[in-house]
Amino acid sequence: QVLLVESGGGVVQPGGSLGLSCAASGFTFSRYAMHWVRQAPGKGLEYMAVISFDERQKYYSDSVKGRFTISRDNSKDTLYLQMNNLGVEDTAIYYCARDRVQGGVGEIDHWGQGTLVTVSS
Amino acid sequence: AIQMTQSPSSLSVSVGDSVTITCRASQGIRDDLAWYQQKPGKAPKLLIYSASNLQNGVPSRFGGSGSGTDFTLTISSLQPEDLATYYCLQENSHPYTFGQGTKLEIK
Repeated sequence: QVLLVESGGGVVQPGGSLGLSCAASGFTFSRYAMHWVRQAPGKGLEYMAVISFDERQKYYSDSVKGRFTISRDNSKDTLYLQMNNLGVEDTAIYYCARDRVQGGVGEIDHWGQGTLVTVSS
Repeated sequence: AIQMTQSPSSLSVSVGDSVTITCRASQGIRDDLAWYQQKPGKAPKLLIYSASNLQNGVPSRFGGSGSGTDFTLTISSLQPEDLATYYCLQENSHPYTFGQGTKLEIK
């Protein structure tokens, strides 16, 4: 079955950087676009970024554009999110998620369990 | 970015009720809309894609409709396990955007 396991969360000071990883299994990773979504404590879902299966397309929300970078390594079945210049407003659970359809960029159908990032001094 | 306005933000319901949640897009998005259910402490779960298509394994009491700017999620005969927060997601143009969520609570 599809399994997405995020790692790399933790506590970081304002202005700092952190890198998240998402290990995928149970499907052909290289055929699917992948997404990052976050959820601040007690708040709603916020869409972050997407990367196409072939890395040719990358899109970001306005709130993270220029600070966060999405990437993938299809040889390692792993998705990444590099986060720079973090602020307290970036405190959230970060979810890795898979696109529903091979080869395209559409809606999300599978989610990881999330990793918590806390930005605090 | 396209704004998604979801209503209501919360709803008090009883088991057996029929429930309707709406999402309005700030511009037309065809049928590029999905609905998700999220229970406390859990990742979201896809219910509906392309506005009206039921995801595999989702009970038939869930239904979606709409096109353009106005969309509806309907739950007929609410079950106890349906108590959760529901979100819409537009995937018509980047960046994708979620609605604010609708929390179903017991009356």
